[in-house]
Amino acid sequence: SQQGEEDPQALSIQEGENATMNCSYKTSINNLQWYRQNSGRGLVHLILIRSNEREKHSGRLRVTLDTSKKSSSLLITASRAADTASYFCATDSSASKIIFGSGTRLSIRP
Amino acid sequence: DAGVIQSPRHEVTEMGQEVTLRCKPISGHDYLFWYRQTMMRGLELLIYFNNNVPIDDSGMPEDRFSAKMPNASFSTLKIQPSEPRDSAVYFCASSPTGFGYTFGSGTRLTVV
Repeated sequence: SQQGEEDPQALSIQEGENATMNCSYKTSINNLQWYRQNSGRGLVHLILIRSNEREKHSGRLRVTLDTSKKSSSLLITASRAADTASYFCATDSSASKIIFGSGTRLSIRP
Repeated sequence: DAGVIQSPRHEVTEMGQEVTLRCKPISGHDYLFWYRQTMMRGLELLIYFNNNVPIDDSGMPEDRFSAKMPNASFSTLKIQPSEPRDSAVYFCASSPTGFGYTFGSGTRLTVV
């Protein structure tokens, strides 16, 4: 069963705009991670946020975590065509075992 | 480092045949994971190893599936006999800590 669920399922924005994706999960976590998957490729780890952290930045990525609401968001600023991909959140239901959500398909229009 | 290497990239087989998928993790990574990805079910964790020992195989769908890790640099996922519903992309991933996985490019399996 999937622990995390992303919202929206699909998102299409204009190049240069910001993209926000959300993830909700059900049980308590130690960490939450975000991954990107380009079509036909494996997943690429983007960022990990620990349960005691509220916000984390990496380049154009900003991740927030609200453990009281069991939710996280991924913000990509100044989107580029190369950001077109599926984005997954992943939560650890137990040590060293993470469960992926269903993903958000992001399309960047030129 | 060449990353996580999976082979073959594509596999087409007939129903009932045995299929073996292979994975070479990144050197020094103590954790190895096998995932299956389909449109209907998304990414499913099948099994994972720590230091070559299977830790959790609760995601293996049925007895037709088996996985081994004879040493730190090699793992196999075997399906015998294969069925059309096994068609999916199978990913191997490794990690030094259990977090921040590095994924291989996957094996696209088609069972006809």
